[in-house]
Order: sequence, then C-alpha cells, then structure tokens
Amino acid sequence: AQSVTQLDSQVPVFEEAPVELRCNYSSSVSVYLFWYVQYPNQGLQLLLKYLSGSTLVKSINGFEAEFNKSQTSFHLRKPSVHISDTAEYFCAVSSGNTPLVFGKGTRLSVIA
Amino acid sequence: GAGVSQSPRYKVAKRGQDVALRCDPISGHVSLFWYQQALGQGPEFLTYFQNEAQLDKSGLPSDRFFAERPEGSVSTLKIQRTQQEDSAVYLCASSRPGGGPQETQYFGPGTRLLVL
Repeated sequence: AQSVTQLDSQVPVFEEAPVELRCNYSSSVSVYLFWYVQYPNQGLQLLLKYLSGSTLVKSINGFEAEFNKSQTSFHLRKPSVHISDTAEYFCAVSSGNTPLVFGKGTRLSVIA
Repeated sequence: GAGVSQSPRYKVAKRGQDVALRCDPISGHVSLFWYQQALGQGPEFLTYFQNEAQLDKSGLPSDRFFAERPEGSVSTLKIQRTQQEDSAVYLCASSRPGGGPQETQYFGPGTRLLVL
C-alpha cells in the first residue's frame, strides 16, 4: 500500500524568506506525485505534478518540487514567499490505477 | 467555465438521519471521485466513477455509505443512519476523459457535514 508522510504540520515563515515543505512517500512501484494547495475558504487545486521525465517540476507562481527516487521524496520549495502563499499544502501519490493517497497536509503561514 | 460544484455547502444532521450530498462535475469530465476529509487530515479516497460505472468503492467506510452517478454526470453520495464519526468535509473531484491517475483532478469546495 502507498502512503505519504508530510513531516511538518505547520510551517511559519517570514515574508520573502525561503521555504521547504517536506514530503516522503512509500510505494513499491513507479509513482505519480502531486502537490495540491488549499487557500483559505477555497477548494483544493493542483499546484504541480511529476509524471515522468525531468525530476524538477515548477509551478507558475514560483514553487518547485524535485522527485528524488532514492530518497522517496518530493519536497516543495520556494525561494521567496509572499503573504498570498499562506495556505494548506497537500502532497499526494498515485500509481497505475490506484486512487490518490494524500498526506495530512502542511499549513504554511507567511508572516509580514 | 464553471468548476465542480457541491451542495449543500454545510449540513447539520442528527445522529441516525440519512443525508444526501450532491456533486456537479465539470461538463465533459468522465471521471468523478469522492473523498472524505476529517479535521486535521488529508482527503481520503471513498469511491470513483467513470461515466456511470462505479469502478472502485474500496474506500467507503461502511455499508451505510452509498454513491451513484446514474447518468454519468451528477453524482450523489448518500449516508444512511449518520453517526458522529461521519462528521467531516466531503470532497468531490472530476477529471478529463482518459482520466488515468496522472490526470489533474479538479476539486469542488466540499460539503461540511456535522452530525450531532
């Protein structure tokens, strides 16, 4: 069975500072990896995903994540956060025809 | 265009009541998913439809939970004889035709169910 571990439930960070949200997964087969974001009072929306090819994937708002097969990780990073990045971030994994399995989420709070 | 919509947005039920939660997916999306999100947790898979066919219901926690999508569009998640542990946000998501696991799922705002 697949599982996802998000090691930090809450991450406070000052505006314009860098941030890393950690995600580790367990799976015995090839995986697809996703980061979803939930802004306050909004539904979940896809931030970025890794399917195959380049291990570094980027979003349009400056986030990036790197698939590391040996470490079974898919950490999310941004070099300089904005107040508007305050949200809950969920890492998820899927493979073959299995349903998405989500982590418990990391609440990112950006402090002015 | 319109996204995934869910109704009601909030539902308070007395223990033992039956509830029905509705999901309108994005037009043309073949795949439809239901998730349950308990407080402080990530979404957990309940069931999956491709058109009107329910292909996976392995996540439904008990036989009190039932989902249908009779015409391959709108879906209803029904919970019979609700219990307090059913209190959660119920999320619906849809994805495009050909929607394998790599396809992006588009989520609705959820229905927050509170069972008293």
